[in-house]
Amino acid sequence: SYDLTQPPSVSVSPGQTASITCSGDKLGDKYGFWYQQKPGQSPVLVIYLDNRRPSGIPERFSGSNSGDTATLTISGTQAMDEAVYSCQAWDSSTVVFGGGTKLTVL
Amino acid sequence: EVQLVQSGAEVHQPGESLKISCTGSGYDVSTSWIAWVRQMPGKGLEFMGIIYPGDSDTRYSPSFQGHVTISADKSISTAYLQWSSLKASDTAIYYCARRVVYGDHGWFDPWGQGTLVTVSS
Repeated sequence: SYDLTQPPSVSVSPGQTASITCSGDKLGDKYGFWYQQKPGQSPVLVIYLDNRRPSGIPERFSGSNSGDTATLTISGTQAMDEAVYSCQAWDSSTVVFGGGTKLTVL
Repeated sequence: EVQLVQSGAEVHQPGESLKISCTGSGYDVSTSWIAWVRQMPGKGLEFMGIIYPGDSDTRYSPSFQGHVTISADKSISTAYLQWSSLKASDTAIYYCARRVVYGDHGWFDPWGQGTLVTVSS
């Protein structure tokens, strides 16, 4: 089966840049998607097709995908960005999620 | 506004059956895939399966095949997830989500509010 690996946690100071990685075999040959989930809430799509932002998602959210790693970058991180971020990809017509990364803004 | 609304929280004993629902609005539910995703307490998202309500074409993740049944009733824009015999390990939040298709890929947007299922004796 295909696996996506994320770091369990990432910390960032307010106003700084946070980078969250998602690793999988030849992930760059697939599309990467990212979801934000705040405590007690449902996941929300923040990046699709590697680097596209849905309407309503702030410009500080960006994405990239190359080689074996997709990366979610949050520039000028705000306290409201504190959440769990999960990556997602497709492999052999099934959906795979990463384990999620808790972003702490402190 | 595209929206998925799920049925309310459930508390059941092991061995009981259960069917939870997900009703779409603001779009043609019969022409979009709906996925079910499990989130166990304090854990990540797990894809369970997906259904196309238009013709009830259903695909299961190997991890969940045979353990749950996914169905739909396009006439009422609703997808279902059901168990014939619950186990304590089925305790989790279950989300439905609409798949936005892009070739063989796609993303999930929006998500339902989640249904908490608690199985305990």
